[in-house]
Amino acid sequence: KQEVTQIPAALSVPEGENLVLNCSFTDSAIYNLQWFRQDPGKGLTSLLLIQSSQREQTSGRLNASLDKSSGRSTLYIAASQPGDSATYLCAARNDYKLSFGAGTTVTVRA
Amino acid sequence: GAGVSQSPRYKVAKRGQDVALRCDPISGHVSLFWYQQALGQGPEFLTYFQNEAQLDKSGLPSDRFFAERPEGSVSTLKIQRTQQEDSAVYLCASSQTSGGAWNTGELFFGEGSRLTVL
Repeated sequence: KQEVTQIPAALSVPEGENLVLNCSFTDSAIYNLQWFRQDPGKGLTSLLLIQSSQREQTSGRLNASLDKSSGRSTLYIAASQPGDSATYLCAARNDYKLSFGAGTTVTVRA
Repeated sequence: GAGVSQSPRYKVAKRGQDVALRCDPISGHVSLFWYQQALGQGPEFLTYFQNEAQLDKSGLPSDRFFAERPEGSVSTLKIQRTQQEDSAVYLCASSQTSGGAWNTGELFFGEGSRLTVL
């Protein structure tokens, strides 16, 4: 069974700092890895999807890397803003099934 | 529709009541998933439909949980004789991907139905 772990569980930074969120998974035979954002009381918004053959994906201030062999992915958010405050979840896909970590809750202080 | 729509957004049930949660996926999406998210946790897989066929129901916690998608579009998750441990957010997701194309398959989630069992 795929196990996904996210460290740290919570993170608080001043505005402008870069954020580094870590995700590890136990079964490296993944199809892809997806990063999501979840605001309180809301559903999940997809941020980035990295296919198993890719090393990284970028969208604006967000960059996600994938090291399949070591079972790790990292989400970088540059120049953080208070609007980036949310919970970030990573999910590893094996076939049709996504397995999620518990998330990292980010607070960006103005 | 523009996105995945779920109703009701909030449901309070007394222990022992039956509840039904509805999901309208993005139009044309073949695949539909239900996930359960407990407070402070990541979503856990419940079940997967490809069109009207339920291909995997291994995540359903007990035989009190039942899901259907009779015409391959709208889906309903039914929970019979609700228990306090059923309190959670139930998330529905859809994807246009099916079969062997999951390496590019992106999932789109609804806002969830928050169930509170008293």
